[in-house]
Amino acid sequence: KAGVTQTPRYLIKTRGQQVTLSCSPISGHRSVSWYQQTPGQGLQFLFEYFSETQRNKGNFPGRFSGRQFSNSRSEMNVSTLELGDSALYLCASSGRLAGDTDTQYFGPGTRLTVL
Amino acid sequence: GQNIDQPTEMTATEGAIVQINCTYQTSGFNGLFWYQQHAGEAPTFLSYNVLDGLEEKGRFSSFLSRSKGYSYLLLKELQMKDSASYLCAFSPNAGNNRKLIWGLGTSLAVNP
Repeated sequence: KAGVTQTPRYLIKTRGQQVTLSCSPISGHRSVSWYQQTPGQGLQFLFEYFSETQRNKGNFPGRFSGRQFSNSRSEMNVSTLELGDSALYLCASSGRLAGDTDTQYFGPGTRLTVL
Repeated sequence: GQNIDQPTEMTATEGAIVQINCTYQTSGFNGLFWYQQHAGEAPTFLSYNVLDGLEEKGRFSSFLSRSKGYSYLLLKELQMKDSASYLCAFSPNAGNNRKLIWGLGTSLAVNP
């Protein structure tokens, strides 16, 4: 099966700008989760979408938002970028396939640098 | 509250065995995951334990003790390509394995 894809892979923005990241899950998966990964904080859960509805949310400010489309593709938006938003943003898809137990499969990530 | 802890760094020799420990505290628990992450790459799934005991999968095995809030990942016959960060994560909610609580990862260096 084709894996999770994320675009773009790398992004450089300046403070105050906004950014939109895209994630396409594994075909047939309906759940998409987003994470922020930094060296000091590790993997931090942002939110999870299932069938176009946000089902779980982490402890991030409202500048971080997301949505999911009917084809399960998801986008994440960060407005008014801050230097601290520089991180690797990972999305993970999961679905009840045979033999799986809601295992999450990660995409390659988007490396965001805020200058 | 919920927290999870694992050693920051470990070093081992090619061909040897290494055990990476992970301890956690939580009121709700629905399983523990181990992932491997090579530098600059995405985490890849290694194992999932929800019941006590040892699960073996080739050179990798994972153990869970729910009563002790403890898990370990055992890597045998270490190879250079096993140099990576190993992440443990637990699911605090039954029926909802997406909102995971992650450790910071253990960076394993395998030396020749």
